[in-house]
Amino acid sequence: AQSVSQHNHHVILSEAASLELGCNYSYGGTVNLFWYVQYPGQHLQLLLKYFSGDPLVKGIKGFEAEFIKSKFSFNLRKPSVQWSDTAEYFCAVNCIHMYSGGGADGLTFGKGTHLIIQP
Amino acid sequence: GAVVSQHPSWVICKSGTSVKIECRSLDFQATTMFWYRQFPKQSLMLMATSNEGSKATYEQGVEKDKFLINHASLTLSTLTVTSAHPEDSSFYICSARFETKADTQYFGPGTRLTVL
Repeated sequence: AQSVSQHNHHVILSEAASLELGCNYSYGGTVNLFWYVQYPGQHLQLLLKYFSGDPLVKGIKGFEAEFIKSKFSFNLRKPSVQWSDTAEYFCAVNCIHMYSGGGADGLTFGKGTHLIIQP
Repeated sequence: GAVVSQHPSWVICKSGTSVKIECRSLDFQATTMFWYRQFPKQSLMLMATSNEGSKATYEQGVEKDKFLINHASLTLSTLTVTSAHPEDSSFYICSARFETKADTQYFGPGTRLTVL
């Protein structure tokens, strides 16, 4: 079974600082990779996703992530954070089962990173 | 587009009663929906995969007789927590897979269940 590890459970940064949140997954096959954000009191929103192609993916709100297959990593980055980026960030993966028509499973989530941006 | 709703948003019930939670894809059809559970300050755990017109697939450790899932149409899946107990109190979140949008899942706002 696949698993997802997020290294930082709590991160506190000042506005304009650069951000990098680590995410590693374990699975030997083909995966889709996601970053979701959950703002206080709101539901999960997709920040970005990687299915195939260019390993550097750009998402909404200035976020990007790089898939490094050799490291099983999909780290999230933002060059300059804002106070409004305060939220919970989840890395997630699902696996493509080629033997069952290529359908993908439900998502396996990391434990999340609570990001606090100080003004 | 790609909006998923859940009803109710919160529910309080007595121990031993059953609670039904609805998940609807409002502007797209979803043959596959997923149910997750989120404990306070923890991550989401996949409970089951809901397939329209067929039986749900449950993750290991999830009791299928306790968490009944029905996916009767392409826009509606329901999760019924039967004979609820306080340990079932949690945040239940559904997602719907938008198959024409590269298999992306869209999440509902969640349902807070409190069992007294």
